[in-house]
Amino acid sequence: TQTVSQSDAHVTVFEGDSVELRCNYSYGGSIYLSWYIQHHGHGLQFLLKYYSGNPVVQGVNGFEAEFSKSDSSFHLRKASVHWSDSAVYFCAVSAGNNAGAKLTFGGGTRLTVRP
Amino acid sequence: DPKIIQKPKYLVAVTGSEKILICEQYLGHNAMYWYRQSAKKPLEFMFSYSYQKLMDNQTASSRFQPQSSKKNHLDLQITALKPDDSATYFCASSRRDWGNYAEQFFGPGTRLTVL
Repeated sequence: TQTVSQSDAHVTVFEGDSVELRCNYSYGGSIYLSWYIQHHGHGLQFLLKYYSGNPVVQGVNGFEAEFSKSDSSFHLRKASVHWSDSAVYFCAVSAGNNAGAKLTFGGGTRLTVRP
Repeated sequence: DPKIIQKPKYLVAVTGSEKILICEQYLGHNAMYWYRQSAKKPLEFMFSYSYQKLMDNQTASSRFQPQSSKKNHLDLQITALKPDDSATYFCASSRRDWGNYAEQFFGPGTRLTVL
C-alpha cells in the first residue's frame, strides 16, 4: 500500500519568491510519482512526473521536482512564482509496476502568492 | 475544446434517489478512472477501467456502479444516495501501455450535493 504525505497544508509567498512544496511517500516497490495543480473550482492539471532516470524532472510553467529515494521524497520547486501559481498542489504516487494503476494523492498544499 | 467532458457540472439530489454522472473523453485513451474529492477526505481513487473492463475497484459500496457503453465513456451510477456522498467527482483518463507510465488527465468534475 502506498501513502503520500504533504506536510504543509498552506504555504504563502510573495510574487518573485522561490518556493518548495514538500512531498514524502511510503511504498516498498518501484514507484511512479507526479504532481498536479488544481485552481479553485477546476479539475486537476498535470505538472510533471517521475519514474526513472534523472531525478530532477522539469514540468510546465517553470516547475521542477526532485526525486530522492533515500529521503522518500519528491519535492516540487519553482524559482520565481507568479500570482497565477496560487492554487492547490497535489502530489500523487502509483505503483510503478502496473501501468494505468490508481493514483494515491496527498492531502494537498494550498499555495498563496501575494503581490 | 475540452478533451474530457463531465456532465452535469452541478447536481443536487435528494437522499435515497439515484443519479448518473457522465464522462466522455476525446483523447484517444484506453484507460479511464473515477476519483472523488470531498471536504472530509482528500482525492480518493474509486475505479479504473481499461478497454471497457474493470481493472480496480476501491469503493466499498455497491451503490457506486461504473458503466462503460463506449470505449471513450465511463459513466458513474450512484443509487440510494446519502448526504455523505456529497463530493466532487472527477473522471480521468490515460493511455495504458505496458511499460509506459502515462499521466492521467482529469475532467472538470461534477459537484454532487445530496440533501
